[in-house]
Amino acid sequence: NAGVTQTPKFQVLKTGQSMTLQCAQDMNHEYMSWYRQDPGMGLRLIHYSVGAGITDQGEVPNGYNVSRSTTEDFPLRLLSAAPSQTSVYFCASSSLGTGAYEQYFGPGTRLTVT
Amino acid sequence: AQSVTQLDSQVPVFEEAPVELRCNYSSSVSVYLFWYVQYPNQGLQLLLKYLSGSTLVKGINGFEAEFNKSQTSFHLRKPSVHISDTAEYFCAVNRNTGGFKTIFGAGTRLFVKA
Repeated sequence: NAGVTQTPKFQVLKTGQSMTLQCAQDMNHEYMSWYRQDPGMGLRLIHYSVGAGITDQGEVPNGYNVSRSTTEDFPLRLLSAAPSQTSVYFCASSSLGTGAYEQYFGPGTRLTVT
Repeated sequence: AQSVTQLDSQVPVFEEAPVELRCNYSSSVSVYLFWYVQYPNQGLQLLLKYLSGSTLVKGINGFEAEFNKSQTSFHLRKPSVHISDTAEYFCAVNRNTGGFKTIFGAGTRLFVKA
């Protein structure tokens, strides 16, 4: 199993550009989530999904969109990039069947917005 | 709402010395508690988790943590650290009923010196 994969690893955007961060998992996990990691702030939840067609907002959803058309994929869209969105982004997945939400993380995407 | 406070942002320690990384949480409902580790330029991986039962929880790589409900703490310990334990450690909390939003602490950077 590849686990949780994320592409790209690195990205530089100009202010106002849009892009999609890709996330895929091959563990048949129902739950998937996106976090951003900023120095001294830990990880903050952006959006999450508990199954195909079901998404909800986390702590910091503004400026980001998600959709979940399949169990495997959970892309994160930046509609109009801003310097405040410079961060490291992590995708994670979990099996709701275990009831404990132990999450498996991807390797991250480092995004810089200039 | 839940919150997590990691009391030390950095902990330097000599190799083979014991270490304790402190975590306090606040919640009005029962929670699950987790410690994750992040090695440089990688995603997070689970070290250990507390769901219920024994308050002393053992994890991977010789780490253990003790859940103290009265003090709302979940401190992480290792009796003898190695250079390879140098990493960032995150405490996290999740409601144990219908909680899809994991809250992470700001992280503690453990630096093991030779």
